[in-house]
Parts: sequence; structure tokens; C-alpha cells
Amino acid sequence: GAGVSQSPSNKVTEKGKDVELRCDPISGHTALYWYRQSLGQGLEFLIYFQGNSAPDKSGLPSDRFSAERTGGSVSTLTIQRTQQEDSAVYLCASRMERGSTDTQYFGPGTRLTVL
Amino acid sequence: GNSVTQMEGPVTLSEEAFLTINCTYTATGYPSLFWYVQYPGEGLQLLLKATKADDKGSNKGFEATYRKETTSFHLEKGSVQVSDSAVYFCALSTAYSSASKIIFGSGTRLSIRP
Repeated sequence: GAGVSQSPSNKVTEKGKDVELRCDPISGHTALYWYRQSLGQGLEFLIYFQGNSAPDKSGLPSDRFSAERTGGSVSTLTIQRTQQEDSAVYLCASRMERGSTDTQYFGPGTRLTVL
Repeated sequence: GNSVTQMEGPVTLSEEAFLTINCTYTATGYPSLFWYVQYPGEGLQLLLKATKADDKGSNKGFEATYRKETTSFHLEKGSVQVSDSAVYFCALSTAYSSASKIIFGSGTRLSIRP
């Protein structure tokens, strides 16, 4: 596709359940980012993948959060034992490569609501 | 560390008014600077960018000039429209550092009255 896609667009879950959020980056983009945008807040960096390098996980808020990127393309963000404070819009972005001034392109986001 | 500070909102203006949203940054090296916009119900999209000092980014009537001496990248538009109502994020990227993520400001909500 032409842009970054994310699924689902909306997810409502009960507290304590696990959720998986998916991101399909732009074809050929080696860098992939996950961000979180809580209501009325700015963007909070979560995790960054670049090619086959070890991911930068410095933004993950707790060990309940993890992410994978299989085959250097699709990425899945997993939140275990969800809490109400996890409710937010989760944004994925991709960029051509590290060491580039190229723009990050964002997906439409997944709105997660934890009841 | 790297950081971005932008004008707190919300900002409310009348149509055709002049807009300035201030943004200053702290960074090591020579960052690229960006303005992203998020329209209601839509995803984040790049509005404009500048990659070196004195560059001016422009798009849709918006402009921002990369000022190294004042470490600023203020967003301006001469005559705003109702359709410009959105949240605007200033951001920087230090492409050649170990931290390759984009650092975002907290966002400024802009509302334009008809």
C-alpha cells in the first residue's frame, strides 16, 4: 500500500486482558517506530526498530509492553494485562532508514480503550 | 538531552488572523526540524520541515525558518482559515546520533472562528 497501515482502528478491551496491535510500514522503510498519544497529551515514544539491529526499547512504560518486528516488515505491539491507564491512541510510523533526514510517515493509529 | 518546547494551547483566532506558534529546541549536533499537524479525527501528517540552519520550510501557506542562533522553528501563517483548526506538533530528529527517534513537543491546539 501507499502508506502506513494499522489494525485494528479501534479496540475495546477489559482490564486484565492482553491486546495485540499491528502495524504495516511503507514497503522499503527499514525504520519503524511506535508512539502513544494519551488524551490531551503529546506523543510518547515507545520503541524503535531499525533493520536487524536490536530495538531501542527505552520508551516502553512497563514490562507489560513488548513489540516484535518480523521479517523486517510488519510489527506487533503487545500489551499484557491491560490497565485503564493504557487507554490511548497507539501510533506507528516508518522511515526510509536510520541516518537519514527523511520524514517519518505515520499510520492512522489504533484507539485502545480499556474498561 | 534533546527536547522540544512549544507554545501551550489552546490558541483561538478569528479567520484571516495572523498565526504564530512558537517552538524552541535543545539538541546536540545538527537536528532536522519538523512541524506535524493532526486534523480532527485524522492521523498525524507532516506539514513542513527544514534540515539545516536558515532553511525555510513551507506548505499550505504555513512557513517556519530554522534559526540556529535562537534555536527556534516558529510556525507562521499570514491568514488562517477555519480548515486550519487542528493540533500542531513541533519536532526534531537528530539523524546521525544514536537516538534516531523523533522528539515531539507537547502539541498546540489551534481553533479558528469563522
